[in-house]
Amino acid sequence: EAGVAQSPRYKIIEKRQSVAFWCNPISGHATLYWYQQILGQGPKLLIQFQNNGVVDDSQLPKDRFSAERLKGVDSTLKIQPAKLEDSAVYLCASSFGASGAYEQYFGPGTRLTVT
Amino acid sequence: DQQVKQNSPSLSVQEGRISILNCDYTNSMFDYFLWYKKYPAEGPTFLISISSIKDKNEDGRFTVFLNKSAKHLSLHIVPSQPGDSAVYFCAANAGNQFYFGTGTSLTVIP
Repeated sequence: EAGVAQSPRYKIIEKRQSVAFWCNPISGHATLYWYQQILGQGPKLLIQFQNNGVVDDSQLPKDRFSAERLKGVDSTLKIQPAKLEDSAVYLCASSFGASGAYEQYFGPGTRLTVT
Repeated sequence: DQQVKQNSPSLSVQEGRISILNCDYTNSMFDYFLWYKKYPAEGPTFLISISSIKDKNEDGRFTVFLNKSAKHLSLHIVPSQPGDSAVYFCAANAGNQFYFGTGTSLTVIP
């Protein structure tokens, strides 16, 4: 079974530029998550999708971050414009269901450096 | 607002001995607690979970204990193996929200 795929693996941009990350979840997983992990901290949930609908985006900085999951499969996370404090690893995860009863499978992450 | 705390940044244990990783939380409404293991340059991998209605869950060498009155959970690894060396994250779930601790780096010394 293929795991969660993410691209790119690494990205370096200057502040005020825009960037997009892509995630392909495990086939059949209805729930998709995007997390931000800043160095030295644990992952922080940004947004959760159930199929192609947003379940929770309360911790997404909506003035600069956006995400979509068209057709309920792949997802993209965009930052525009980027700030220095956005430097982090962005993790995508998927699961069969939305609660803690379901195991989340994580991708390898995209390491973003904003200079 | 840190709802899940892992107060020990690192832990070293001899191979074959028990590793005990601790986690404290503040929200009594959490439904599930989960442990993830992370190797460098990889995403976290699920290890074991426990429902808030239980106080113990065991899976092979891994056991999680939940003490709701103390708002504390712990992960026991017995016996510890060098391949267990990784960062361990504690996480908690309430509704649609998941909160992770800052992680404990475990080193198992051969």
